[in-house]
Amino acid sequence: QKEVEQNSGPLSVPEGAIASLNCTYSDRGSQSFFWYRQYSGKSPELIMFIYSNGDKEDGRFTAQLNKASQYVSLLIRDSQPSDSATYLCAPNTGFQKLVFGTGTRLLVSP
Amino acid sequence: DVKVTQSSRYLVKRTGEKVFLECVQDMDHENMFWYRQDPGLGLRLIYFSYDVKMKEKGDIPEGYSVSREKKERFSLILESASTNQTSMYLCASSLLGGLNTEAFFGQGTRLTVV
Repeated sequence: QKEVEQNSGPLSVPEGAIASLNCTYSDRGSQSFFWYRQYSGKSPELIMFIYSNGDKEDGRFTAQLNKASQYVSLLIRDSQPSDSATYLCAPNTGFQKLVFGTGTRLLVSP
Repeated sequence: DVKVTQSSRYLVKRTGEKVFLECVQDMDHENMFWYRQDPGLGLRLIYFSYDVKMKEKGDIPEGYSVSREKKERFSLILESASTNQTSMYLCASSLLGGLNTEAFFGQGTRLTVV
């Protein structure tokens, strides 16, 4: 079983819709979870992180965490073409190792 | 702002050459990481280090070694470059411990081995 699993996509949504990105992880000791965005040809950059069960909102972005199900998701409301990118999930297991999912490619069409 | 700088943006090397990729961070981070990124395979961890002179293997260490003689610098070494090591290499750094261990990335080095 992979440490972090994401659907590679592409996930295609129309402009203004809600995009839902999902991630499952195998290490139950994971303490916090990070969502990174990577534009084509660029390096990943942090969007948000979450460490408590439930929802965390930041502008148009909402991260959802369910530790019992080992599941974390990212919702993007009012999706814009500028949101088109690859979204990477990374759990913080409390150890130094930092492993990413393969990422989900999101395409937002005008 | 945290700055992670990789020594080269593009690099072309010949098969069998010894290749050094350098990474420097200016935020006194304990953790440093080397990844390679290939289409469809995502970011794969090669090696990481949580302290000077300390190193740990990641998921794909074969064919690579690393060096961390100073806290701010983490070098990736390809002992004898091969064509299957053609890839984008990304360096990252982060704080050690706590809940928010955000990783900051360098701009990447696109290595081509011919």
